[in-house]
Amino acid sequence: SQQGEEDPQALSIQEGENATMNCSYKTSINNLQWYRQNSGRGLVHLILIRSNEREKHSGRLRVTLDTSKKSSSLLITASRAADTASYFCATDAFGLTGGGNKLTFGTGTQLKVEL
Amino acid sequence: GAVVSQHPSRVICKSGTSVKIECRSLDFQATTMFWYRQFPKQSLMLMATSNEGSKATYEQGVEKDKFLINHASLTLSTLTVTSAHPEDSSFYICSAREGLGRRERGYTFGSGTRLTVV
Repeated sequence: SQQGEEDPQALSIQEGENATMNCSYKTSINNLQWYRQNSGRGLVHLILIRSNEREKHSGRLRVTLDTSKKSSSLLITASRAADTASYFCATDAFGLTGGGNKLTFGTGTQLKVEL
Repeated sequence: GAVVSQHPSRVICKSGTSVKIECRSLDFQATTMFWYRQFPKQSLMLMATSNEGSKATYEQGVEKDKFLINHASLTLSTLTVTSAHPEDSSFYICSAREGLGRRERGYTFGSGTRLTVV
């Protein structure tokens, strides 16, 4: 499996604190994306960072990418209770099993933001 | 923005029957669609990639005869779980990607189908 790994698996913080999640992957990529999933629901696309970019911001989100280390991080600043969800990184890369480019998900981080 | 409609959102079926899940791109042409499976508290595992008008490409370990995928048009892909068993109970999610050159806009996901086999 080419699935990436995320850490921590679970993270519990207080509202207002920052949350940092890390993602490591194995192959060369075109881009890396972060998604959010509320329990039992579909995915919400948060942010995309290209392989030639090192950092990207979107609102309270900050994503970094280090292709030499094959790793990425997602920082959520000033967290809110509504940020409670699972967060997944996903790498867009050419599939080794054929079928062209595909998105492969990391193992995910379950974030809980408490009041 | 791009929207993908997945139907049904929930389905309960008896063991041994077949279930079809539909995935439609509503406002764009999806040359490629993807099917994922997710067990509780786990990540999404890619099952197969389907390109319009051609056979699906299955990931290692996914049974082609069990999970039939059809991508007959640029806006519709279907996943049929044949002879379903309780271990097939899972959350199935589809994703669609527009034509080449637009992949950096991200992939658009359906809202998922919760399949329960009893």
